[in-house]
Amino acid sequence: GDSVTQMEGPVTLSEEAFLTINCTYTATGYPSLFWYVQYPGEGLQLLLKATKADDKGSNKGFEATYRKETTSFHLEKGSVQVSDSAVYFCALTPRMKTSYDKVIFGPGTSLSVIP
Amino acid sequence: GAVVSQHPSWVICKSGTSVKIECRSLDFQATTMFWYRQFPKQSLMLMATSNEGSKATYEQGVEKDKFLINHASLTLSTLTVTSAHPEDSSFYICSARDRGQGANSPLHFGNGTRLTVT
Repeated sequence: GDSVTQMEGPVTLSEEAFLTINCTYTATGYPSLFWYVQYPGEGLQLLLKATKADDKGSNKGFEATYRKETTSFHLEKGSVQVSDSAVYFCALTPRMKTSYDKVIFGPGTSLSVIP
Repeated sequence: GAVVSQHPSWVICKSGTSVKIECRSLDFQATTMFWYRQFPKQSLMLMATSNEGSKATYEQGVEKDKFLINHASLTLSTLTVTSAHPEDSSFYICSARDRGQGANSPLHFGNGTRLTVT
């Protein structure tokens, strides 16, 4: 079945460090891909998305490129801030007609940024 | 932007009682809403898909009679945890997709409900 795999955390970085959170997926066809962020005690917020191969999603300095050939959607940010501390979830929506409504989440990666 | 309001944000109840959680889309209509459960430091587990005007679709392993879902209108879905037990303590999150945005548009999430059963 469709699935999402993320690098295990927790990840701890110093402020202004470069961030990469790896995400790979398994899916039939061409899913849409998303990164969601969850701040402590809150629900999830959409961070960015890409709906087809080679698309680059970007928001708040974060970016991720939909790589069909490597089935990956790695999240990157050039300079993290303390306020970026949160849990990041990679997710996909399958394109199969019978299940396109579902969103499948990866396990999440906790990021802590220290001053 | 699209807002999903979830209420209450936290609730403490005694074992054996029932708790109702509401999920409202404030500025869009949602034919479908989703209910997730999140255990500490774990990912979201889809419990059920709530369809307006019809029965909810439950994921394998989720007890239908324990987690009652009602989707009475295009802006409201409710999850009732019946005869709650301490193992039902968890973080419950609802989400909805704007029906005007297409099947692959992102989900909009509520802020979640922390349920503690004593």
